[in-house]
Amino acid sequence: DAGVIQSPRHEVTEMGQEVTLRCKPISGHDYLFWYRQTMMRGLELLIYFNNNVPIDDSGMPEDRFSAKMPNASFSTLKIQPSEPRDSAVYFCASSFSGSYNEQFFGPGTRLTVL
Amino acid sequence: SQKIEQNSEALNIQEGKTATLTCNYTNYSPAYLQWYRQDPGRGPVFLLLIRENEKEKRKERLKVTFDTTLKQSLFHITASQPADSATYLCAPYNQGGKLIFGQGTELSVKP
Repeated sequence: DAGVIQSPRHEVTEMGQEVTLRCKPISGHDYLFWYRQTMMRGLELLIYFNNNVPIDDSGMPEDRFSAKMPNASFSTLKIQPSEPRDSAVYFCASSFSGSYNEQFFGPGTRLTVL
Repeated sequence: SQKIEQNSEALNIQEGKTATLTCNYTNYSPAYLQWYRQDPGRGPVFLLLIRENEKEKRKERLKVTFDTTLKQSLFHITASQPADSATYLCAPYNQGGKLIFGQGTELSVKP
């Protein structure tokens, strides 16, 4: 298996623009997680899905952030409009049969909002 | 609020020595605790999971302890090697169904 796949790997955009990050989890995994990592706040959980259904989105910073999982092999995290404080590395992770089980992380998307 | 503390300063040790990293948590009682390794520019990689009823878990040169009374987990790397240099993240699992990651401890193993 290729592991968790994220795209793009790097994104530079201007304030106010819409940003869409993409994730393909490991086949057969039923949990998908979106994290954000910054030097100041570390690795924070934004939202997670179980069987394509959002379970906990309490970590989503505000209404500018939205996430979808239309099927078991694809998820998106959208920021609209983007702001400079959204600059961070965004990771997608997946796990099998339990949110407490080991999580497999993707390589991340480094987002810079100018 | 739930809080996780890891050694904030980088840990520098000599090759061959044992590295010990500390993870303290407050205001909750996790049923599981995980440790991850993160290299620069990469996503975290799972190392070990320990349950609340397990005092100790080993995997090759790695050992994790879990003291629910002290609310602390220790992570040991024996016979450390320069390739072990990385940031190590502690992640207790809270009752809300989520892993809460610590800030991580940067380990540097010198030859």
